[in-house]
Amino acid sequence: ETGVTQTPRHLVMGMTNKKSLKCEQHLGHNAMYWYKQSAKKPLELMFVYNFKEQTENNSVPSRFSPECPNSSHLFLHLHTLQPEDSALYLCASSQVTGETQYFGPGTRLLVL
Amino acid sequence: DQQVKQNSPSLSVQEGRISILNCDYTNSMFDYFLWYKKYPAEGPTFLISISSIKDKNEDGRFTVFLNKSAKHLSLHIVPSQPGDSAVYFCAASVYTGNQFYFGTGTSLTVIP
Repeated sequence: ETGVTQTPRHLVMGMTNKKSLKCEQHLGHNAMYWYKQSAKKPLELMFVYNFKEQTENNSVPSRFSPECPNSSHLFLHLHTLQPEDSALYLCASSQVTGETQYFGPGTRLLVL
Repeated sequence: DQQVKQNSPSLSVQEGRISILNCDYTNSMFDYFLWYKKYPAEGPTFLISISSIKDKNEDGRFTVFLNKSAKHLSLHIVPSQPGDSAVYFCAASVYTGNQFYFGTGTSLTVIP
């Protein structure tokens, strides 16, 4: 595998479910990011990790919980989501924060 | 308040002609700018970047121009090819910062 991978690519969940999104980067980068992309809106930064430490949380509701066990892996744990959370969730990585980010293919999430 | 704006949601261009995609920003502290290309069902792919010490950067058919006084960024694609049909996002950051700010994207269609 090369670049940034994300699993699953598609996810449908009910409002009472708990699920996790996974991101893995094979670029040797030290910073990882979660973004949300909703229709007709700019990419919204959710979380930033730099050297496994969370350095940014953009007022994201607590029903989204990130986890970064090492510099190569990033998770987004989801619980009791709302239908308006349906969106494309993108993971990205960069050498360090502030440098060019490389994106994964995204997870298309539908909350019913 | 959106700090990076792409005011044209879509653009159609004939194959072989020039495509010009525009981006405006409001924060005069931004000093690093990127363009990404996104195909459906894929994550954004890094295309080209420019720092504020330059006013032009060229990579093959792609040239990015930066007008700092006007807080304006543009991407020129010459000659345009059907494979360039995609959504193009511009992004801006303060180089030492955590966060990139993205525009809403411009959907480019290159007509054969």
